[in-house]
Amino acid sequence: AQSVTQPDIHITVSEGASLELRCNYSYGATPYLFWYVQSPGQGLQLLLKYFSGDTLVQGIKGFEAEFKRSQSSFNLRKPSVHWSDAAEYFCAVGPGYSSASKIIFGSGTRLSIRP
Amino acid sequence: EAQVTQNPRYLITVTGKKLTVTCSQNMNHEYMSWYRQDPGLGLRQIYYSMNVEVTDKGDVPEGYKVSRKEKRNFPLILESPSPNQTSLYFCASSLTGSYNEQFFGPGTRLTVL
Repeated sequence: AQSVTQPDIHITVSEGASLELRCNYSYGATPYLFWYVQSPGQGLQLLLKYFSGDTLVQGIKGFEAEFKRSQSSFNLRKPSVHWSDAAEYFCAVGPGYSSASKIIFGSGTRLSIRP
Repeated sequence: EAQVTQNPRYLITVTGKKLTVTCSQNMNHEYMSWYRQDPGLGLRQIYYSMNVEVTDKGDVPEGYKVSRKEKRNFPLILESPSPNQTSLYFCASSLTGSYNEQFFGPGTRLTVL
């Protein structure tokens, strides 16, 4: 069955520290992979996406993610977090072919920043 | 301004009273979708639409209806709401398909008593 797992429900890091949010997926074929961020009381905004090619993708706000096929993972990283990064982060996966449009979201990881 | 709008933003209703949540986008997007967000479950797709008059079920379609008569609008209809449909609902749109960046509306918080 297709699924997306974000094993960390809540993470707290100090401002200026590095960050890694984990995402594992189960999919029948090479999927499209996404990270979205949801600030409190807001809708979701795309941080970055992976379709093919270079497995390290750069996104907005200084975030990057690395696709590792052997581990079925797509972890999100940031070298130095800012207080404004406090939000909920969602990993999502979609089918790796253009005609279908179902998408599956993970359950989210809430990020808190310690001053 | 390019945006996805939803109305109402907040709604409290009673079991069985039909309601419609509207969604509209001004970006000429072909793809639109509805999600519900529940604590610990993330976002779950209810229905999506690839284009006018083309809709399909997501993962949790039971108890919901949609229609896509115009490109810009994608209303979500609850014919007979029940308390288990109490949730935060998001509408989203993208140029073509979920593999493009989806733009999300601000959300509608629905409470069914």
